[in-house]
Amino acid sequence: SQTIHQWPATLVQPVGSPLSLECTVEGTSNPNLYWYRQAAGRGLQLLFYSVGIGQISSEVPQNLSASRPQDRQFILSSKKLLLSDSGFYLCAWSVGLASDEQYFGPGTRLTVT
Amino acid sequence: QQQVKQSPQSLIVQKGGISIINCAYENTAFDYFPWYQQFPGKGPALLIAIRPDVSEKKEGRFTISFNKSAKQFSLHIMDSQPGDSATYFCAASKSRSGGYQKVTFGIGTKLQVIP
Repeated sequence: SQTIHQWPATLVQPVGSPLSLECTVEGTSNPNLYWYRQAAGRGLQLLFYSVGIGQISSEVPQNLSASRPQDRQFILSSKKLLLSDSGFYLCAWSVGLASDEQYFGPGTRLTVT
Repeated sequence: QQQVKQSPQSLIVQKGGISIINCAYENTAFDYFPWYQQFPGKGPALLIAIRPDVSEKKEGRFTISFNKSAKQFSLHIMDSQPGDSATYFCAASKSRSGGYQKVTFGIGTKLQVIP
């Protein structure tokens, strides 16, 4: 069966520090991968998606970037965090045209101080 | 532009009652309408989904009602239980080439089922 991992689970970082959040998927090949941010009372905002290794599309201009160095690995990064980057970050995956379903990871709670 | 409008934002229901959450969409190209359930501190989990070729889908105590002409769909939770207390998100998407599927989410409804 497929599983999705995210780490760390929680993170407290000062303003101006770098960020690296990692997501890995097991049990599937060539998944579509997504990064979302969830702010209180604002639902889920799609940040980046990837349909393959090295292929990244950004949905919202911001202080963040994403990379996909391996088929089942998706990384969210920032060179300098802002207070507004605080939130709950979720990674998700889906499998091509065969399914419209997205499956979410456990999330990372990021607090920028 | 909020493409999927969800209401209410919070809901309190007695145990055994029916919980109803409503969503409305604008884009008639949407062809897939999932509902997600999220417990505090966890990622959302797909609960039930419907396509516009049917008007209703039922899985256990959860039912989606879909009205294509009104561009509305709703989630009904029958015999609501305290364990159903969570945030529920409706969503909508349309298939795109290359396998990527963008999902537009509603703002979420925080459901509390009281004993």
